[in-house]
Amino acid sequence: LAKTTQPISMDSYEGQEVNITCSHNNIATNDYITWYQQFPSQGPRFIIQGYKTKVTNEVASLFIPADRKSSTLSLPRVSLSDTAVYYCLVGDQAGTALIFGKGTTLSVSS
Amino acid sequence: GAVVSQHPSRVICKSGTSVKIECRSLDFQATTMFWYRQFPKQSLMLMATSNEGSKATYEQGVEKDKFLINHASLTLSTLTVTSAHPEDSSFYICSARPSGGWNEQFFGPGTRLTVL
Repeated sequence: LAKTTQPISMDSYEGQEVNITCSHNNIATNDYITWYQQFPSQGPRFIIQGYKTKVTNEVASLFIPADRKSSTLSLPRVSLSDTAVYYCLVGDQAGTALIFGKGTTLSVSS
Repeated sequence: GAVVSQHPSRVICKSGTSVKIECRSLDFQATTMFWYRQFPKQSLMLMATSNEGSKATYEQGVEKDKFLINHASLTLSTLTVTSAHPEDSSFYICSARPSGGWNEQFFGPGTRLTVL
């Protein structure tokens, strides 16, 4: 399974755009890139998933360059409630488990 | 989106007792479910993969006789922590991937186990 590398922590202020980049140099052809958000004492919550180029939903955008060796999660105009740990994972559709890295702890201040 | 529930949400037990945690997919069928454990300030660690109708596959270092997994139906997997000890105190999280080729994996809310 492809290993991912993310910054351990990031700080931001309310209203700013936050971009979290994840490296996955060994991503396989069949792997998708998925981002999850986790609050303390809760299970991870799905944010967004993509395979290549750009994906956007109501909460975030995901940018994936052509070589797919990295990806960037973009959170527009963060609020205090976006303070959480964000995990980048890669995996295929074959039913294999998702392996979590250390994640990025995002702290949003007012 | 699809919903996964866990029961109980938190449990406190005495050392030496066994505790069962249930994981249910409420509005979809899941051939495969996964069990994770998370210690404070750490990431989720995969414990085992649970397949409906067959034996679970355990990760290296996870004792299968201590963490019993049963996946009796397409919507229910259970994790039993046998002879629990204080070092088993942790946050246990299950996840499920819908049958039929979905690529998303949905996580339960977690179960906080405290062993006294």
